[in-house]
Amino acid sequence: GAVVSQHPSRVICKSGTSVKIECRSLDFQATTMFWYRQFPKQSLMLMATSNEGSKATYEQGVEKDKFLINHASLTLSTLTVTSAHPEDSSFYICSARGRQGEKLFFGSGTQLSVL
Amino acid sequence: SQQGEEDPQALSIQEGENATMNCSYKTSINNLQWYRQNSGRGLVHLILIRSNEREKHSGRLRVTLDTSKKSSSLLITASRAADTASYFCATDYSGNTGKLIFGQGTTLQVKP
Repeated sequence: GAVVSQHPSRVICKSGTSVKIECRSLDFQATTMFWYRQFPKQSLMLMATSNEGSKATYEQGVEKDKFLINHASLTLSTLTVTSAHPEDSSFYICSARGRQGEKLFFGSGTQLSVL
Repeated sequence: SQQGEEDPQALSIQEGENATMNCSYKTSINNLQWYRQNSGRGLVHLILIRSNEREKHSGRLRVTLDTSKKSSSLLITASRAADTASYFCATDYSGNTGKLIFGQGTTLQVKP
């Protein structure tokens, strides 16, 4: 099946710093990528949808300036958590879908801990 | 909220038994999908059922869809300890951008 690589898998940072998470589709072109946030033992909350070459569409309540998403190529999307605070600590997961694809392929997730 | 609801929230069974999880959703859909998540990992796609389908099988998995009741069920037969994971249903809403909305999930524990 299709492979989506997400890095880093775990990051610990100080409050006020920015963290970049990368999501790559390794063997297919991902026209659309999605970024989710997941708290312990809870479901995935969709943060934003990113289409290659265009601005991301954010879900209600998600701060665009805080969570910067870039989808510069058909195989790479990045999520940057700017000026991170402890409440941003969470598990972030990306997913990708190819052209006319219905199912999603997920990265392995990034556990962000902000001290 | 567009999120579906799943029940039970947690399920504990013995190896060899069957496990049934249910999912309800709120509006019309293009398809409904089931995903599995091992602790601290990403999700893996299990099976997709379209709105015009009523039942689908894949190995030990059986999924049903009742669009009149806006509900779906996932049955895992002859469970194994390796089936221990969280299971999520996800709906692809009609007229949407193709994004999936995930249910709350069912945590399944299969005891050896």
